[in-house]
Amino acid sequence: DTAVSQTPKYLVTQMGNDKSIKCEQNLGHDTMYWYKQDSKKFLKIMFSYNNKELIINETVPNRFSPKSPDKAHLNLHINSLELGDSAVYFCASSRALTPGQGSYEQYFGPGTRLTVT
Amino acid sequence: RKEVEQDPGPFNVPEGATVAFNCTYSNSASQSFFWYRQDCRKEPKLLMSVYSSGNEDGRFTAQLNRASQYISLLIRDSKLSDSATYLCVVNTGSGYSTLTFGKGTMLLVSP
Repeated sequence: DTAVSQTPKYLVTQMGNDKSIKCEQNLGHDTMYWYKQDSKKFLKIMFSYNNKELIINETVPNRFSPKSPDKAHLNLHINSLELGDSAVYFCASSRALTPGQGSYEQYFGPGTRLTVT
Repeated sequence: RKEVEQDPGPFNVPEGATVAFNCTYSNSASQSFFWYRQDCRKEPKLLMSVYSSGNEDGRFTAQLNRASQYISLLIRDSKLSDSATYLCVVNTGSGYSTLTFGKGTMLLVSP
């Protein structure tokens, strides 16, 4: 059984289009994340939701909008796609974060490879 | 100084070799430390958490030195299947902390 799943696995689209990536986890976790891994393989946090509330929002263009309809789902919508958005986007989940406490191990989805032409 | 720094590699070793990876982190308030493994074109997967006392899981041993802000991973008796990129991961240490990933060290184990 897949713990963290993402759809689609591959996404090829043209500049200027709007696209969405969906993520679902069946681990019962309260916290979910979106990461971007660029061509240099550097994995960087974009957003984090804790119990459906946005708690981490790194410096990401506001063309990127996450939405968490419930604790098990975190979707990512991207408007006006640009060439620089081409990357692999990973969703992840973990046990709930508490301010000032450490972090729990995160479980990653298989990734969505986005190519903008 | 980068938040999490690792040897870039690649490390090319024969099967059966022992290999060690090093990692340094900049935030002295960090509390959580992990090693993740990422195979080519796959998602990162947790290899092991790293505890202050050091910990071992089969052929893998992780060490943490808080005073030096240094983490290590030792792999003994390397297998072909160990070929992957190893990511050093540290939490940010403030507020709702999350994980900061190093760029990874690639390991290639050859027959």
